[in-house]
Amino acid sequence: NAGVTQTPKFRVLKTGQSMTLLCAQDMNHEYMYWYRQDPGMGLRLIHYSVGEGTTAKGEVPDGYNVSRLKKQNFLLGLESAAPSQTSVYFCASSYAGPYEQYFGPGTRLTVT
Amino acid sequence: GENVEQHPSTLSVQEGDSAVIKCTYSDSASNYFPWYKQELGKRPQLIIDIRSNVGEKKDQRIAVTLNKTAKHFSLHITETQPEDSAVYFCAARAGNFNKFYFGSGTKLNVKP
Repeated sequence: NAGVTQTPKFRVLKTGQSMTLLCAQDMNHEYMYWYRQDPGMGLRLIHYSVGEGTTAKGEVPDGYNVSRLKKQNFLLGLESAAPSQTSVYFCASSYAGPYEQYFGPGTRLTVT
Repeated sequence: GENVEQHPSTLSVQEGDSAVIKCTYSDSASNYFPWYKQELGKRPQLIIDIRSNVGEKKDQRIAVTLNKTAKHFSLHITETQPEDSAVYFCAARAGNFNKFYFGSGTKLNVKP
C-alpha cells in the first residue's frame, strides 16, 4: 500500500516549457487535490477533483490545468512555465466528506 | 470563501514547556479542522483533527479545542520535546465545498 505518490520528485524547467506532474493514490479515495507551497506561506489550493472525470478550480488556478481520467490518478499540467510557478507542489487525497487528507511527498519545481 | 489566520508565525519554547497555536476562520459552515506537522523537506502529516460537533479532543500530549461561536480553534502541546520542532499548519474544510483552507504556518522551536 504505497499511499499517495508523486512523480517526478524534482524538475527544472526553462520559462515557456511545459510539463505534467502525476499524482497516484491506491486508497480508493474519491477526492484529490493539488496544492503549491511557497516559503512563509501555507498550502494554497490550485485545483481539485471530487471524482473521476470531474475537476474544479481552487484559490490559484491560473497557469495550470488538471485532468482526472482515472479515479486513482490526478494530473497537473503547466502549459507554459513561468518563474512565478517555482514552488513545491503537493498532491493530496481523501474520502468524500470531512476526513483527513493524505499528502504525497511533493515535487520541487524550479523555473528559470 | 473561507479565510484562515494562524498565530504566531514563530514560537520558541523551552523543552518541557507548553506551546499553544491559534487559528481563526471566517466561514461558519466549516465543519472539519485538522492540524498538520511538517518537518523540513517532508510532507505535511496529520497530528490531530476535530469536527464541528466536538469542542475538545486530546491525544497524549496534543489537544485541540474548538470554539464555534468565536470561530477559532487552538492546538495545545504539553511537555514539549526537541522532536516537536517543526512547522505546524491549521486548516478548515469549507462546509459546502470540498476544499480545505490552510493557515500560513507556525514554526515551533523547542530548545533543549
